[in-house]
Amino acid sequence: RKEVEQDPGPFNVPEGATVAFNCTYSNSASQSFFWYRQDCRKEPKLLMSVYSSGNEDGRFTAQLNRASQYISLLIRDSKLSDSATYLCVVKYSDYKLSFGAGTTVTVRA
Amino acid sequence: EPEVTQTPSHQVTQMGQEVILRCVPISNHLYFYWYRQILGQKVEFLVSFYNNEISEKSEIFDDQFSVERPDGSNFTLKIRSTKLEDSAMYFCASSEWGGNEQFFGPGTRLTVL
Repeated sequence: RKEVEQDPGPFNVPEGATVAFNCTYSNSASQSFFWYRQDCRKEPKLLMSVYSSGNEDGRFTAQLNRASQYISLLIRDSKLSDSATYLCVVKYSDYKLSFGAGTTVTVRA
Repeated sequence: EPEVTQTPSHQVTQMGQEVILRCVPISNHLYFYWYRQILGQKVEFLVSFYNNEISEKSEIFDDQFSVERPDGSNFTLKIRSTKLEDSAMYFCASSEWGGNEQFFGPGTRLTVL
C-alpha cells in the first residue's frame, strides 16, 4: 500500500468555483501533515500545514481526520493562479517528507 | 527573502559517469535534504543530513550516492556511476531545525544518456 495516496484528477473548474480533494495515508504514527503546491517543472512550495482541528488560510481550508487517516483541501473562489498540482505530504519522522503523487487542478476563465 | 539555490539547473551526462549536484542551503538552516522526482512521478526522499552526518536515508540512497558539506555553505550530492534510471529532477531542501518547514531549491534536472 502506498504511504500517501491522492486522486490524481485533473479537476477542471471555472473561476470562482469551489474545488475539494482528499488524500489518505497509511501510517497511523504520522506526525505532521502538509499541503504543498507544485507548478509545472518547479520545486514544491509549502501551501499550508494541516492541524488536527482543521485550519484555514484565506481561500484554502485543510482538514485532518486521524481516525480515518485522510486529509482534505478545499479551495474557495478559485483563481486562474490556483492552477497547479497539489501535493499531500506526511511526515513520519523528524526528517523525511513523504509525498503523494499530486492532484492536478486547472482553473479556467 | 532567503532561498535555497542549486547548480547547475540542468546536467547532461553519459551513463557510468560521476556527477556532483550542488546546493547552497539557507544560511541559518542546520538540516539539509535531497529529494528526487522522476518525470511524471512523485517526489521521493533520498537523504537528510545534520551535524555533518546522515540522519536518515531511503532505500533509493544506495552506495552509488553520497552527500557532503565541503564548506560552510555548500551541500553536495554525488552519484558515482550514473545509470539511465537516475535521470530525474533533484531537489535540495533545508530547514532551520528537524521538525519545521523544509524549503526547496529550484532543482537540478539530471539527464543520463
